[in-house]
Amino acid sequence: SQQGEEDPQALSIQEGENATMNCSYKTSINNLQWYRQNSGRGLVHLILIRSNEREKHSGRLRVTLDTSKKSSSLLITASRAADTASYFCATGAGGTSYGKLTFGQGTILTVHP
Amino acid sequence: DAGVIQSPRHEVTEMGQEVTLRCKPISGHDYLFWYRQTMMRGLELLIYFNNNVPIDDSGMPEDRFSAKMPNASFSTLKIQPSEPRDSAVYFCASSFSFPVTHEQYFGPGTRLTVT
Repeated sequence: SQQGEEDPQALSIQEGENATMNCSYKTSINNLQWYRQNSGRGLVHLILIRSNEREKHSGRLRVTLDTSKKSSSLLITASRAADTASYFCATGAGGTSYGKLTFGQGTILTVHP
Repeated sequence: DAGVIQSPRHEVTEMGQEVTLRCKPISGHDYLFWYRQTMMRGLELLIYFNNNVPIDDSGMPEDRFSAKMPNASFSTLKIQPSEPRDSAVYFCASSFSFPVTHEQYFGPGTRLTVT
């Protein structure tokens, strides 16, 4: 079953604008991660937020987590053409899923120069 | 470190042939994952290993697919016989159990085309 669902499926913006992507999930988690995938490449880890955190920053990235709503958002500020990629959220849980991440379907971000 | 290494990068084969995909995880990582990515189905987890032992193979599509990890530095994913619907990009990823958040490191993928 799909754990993470990203919204929107596709986002097109101009360079310099901010990009916000959302992720919803269904079951309890101990962390949520965001990954980026450039066309034809493997996924690259961007940022992680633990279930007891509400907000995290890394450079131009800001991620929030609302465990009561089972949702997260990724904000990319002052976007650049090089940010064009697909972005995936992934959730990690303990128990029988220890070690495993469940990925969403991704948001395709296009940043126009 | 060279990162996760996958070979071959591209594979074109005819239906019915055996296909073997290879992966070398990052040294010291104790988890290894095989994923398949298609436009229709997105990124699917096929199987993952911990300390060379398969933990969950519930994502393996059918008996035509098998995976092994004979040692900590090598894993294979085999499809026999291959079918056109197996065409996809196959990714290998590895992670380390400390910290427990298990950030995964992906290889460049193998693009498989079955004609």
